[in-house]
Amino acid sequence: DAGVIQSPRHEVTEMGQEVTLRCKPISGHNSLFWYRQTMMRGLELLIYFNNNVPIDDSGMPEDRFSAKMPNASFSTLKIQPSEPRDSAVYFCASSLAAGRFETQYFGPGTRLLVL
Amino acid sequence: KQEVTQIPAALSVPEGENLVLNCSFTDSAIYNLQWFRQDPGKGLTSLLLIQSSQREQTSGRLNASLDKSSGRSTLYIAASQPGDSATYLCAVIGGSQGNLIFGKGTKLSVKP
Repeated sequence: DAGVIQSPRHEVTEMGQEVTLRCKPISGHNSLFWYRQTMMRGLELLIYFNNNVPIDDSGMPEDRFSAKMPNASFSTLKIQPSEPRDSAVYFCASSLAAGRFETQYFGPGTRLLVL
Repeated sequence: KQEVTQIPAALSVPEGENLVLNCSFTDSAIYNLQWFRQDPGKGLTSLLLIQSSQREQTSGRLNASLDKSSGRSTLYIAASQPGDSATYLCAVIGGSQGNLIFGKGTKLSVKP
């Protein structure tokens, strides 16, 4: 299996532009998680889906952030408009099922720099 | 609100040494705890998952322990190697759906 796939791997954009991050979970996994990692705050959960349905988006920092999962094999995280403080590494992870016994498998991350 | 702390933030040891990484959490009502490894520029790799009813888990040279009542976990690495150099992250499962709450990690450097 190819593992969790994220694209792009690197993104540099200017403040005010729209940014779309993409994730393909491991085939057969029913839960998908979006995390953000910064030096100051470490790794933080933004939102997670179970069977394509958003379960908890309380970690989404503000209305500029939105996430969708139109089908079991694809999810997007969109930032519109982007700001310099959004610069971070964004990780997507998937697990076989929702639940505390399931290991999460992480993608390589998207490194976002907003100028 | 659950908070996870890892001490030290960085650690440098000579090759062959046994070492312990520490993780503490403020709310003992966790479902389980997971240790990850993160290499520079890469994603996270799960090392060990300890369920709340367990005391420890072992995988090769790694042994993780969990003391839920005191809010502590340790990751023991035996006979460290330069290839063990990475950042090690501890995370607790904060809810029944599996959402992870992470510490900021310990950056380990093993010198040949």
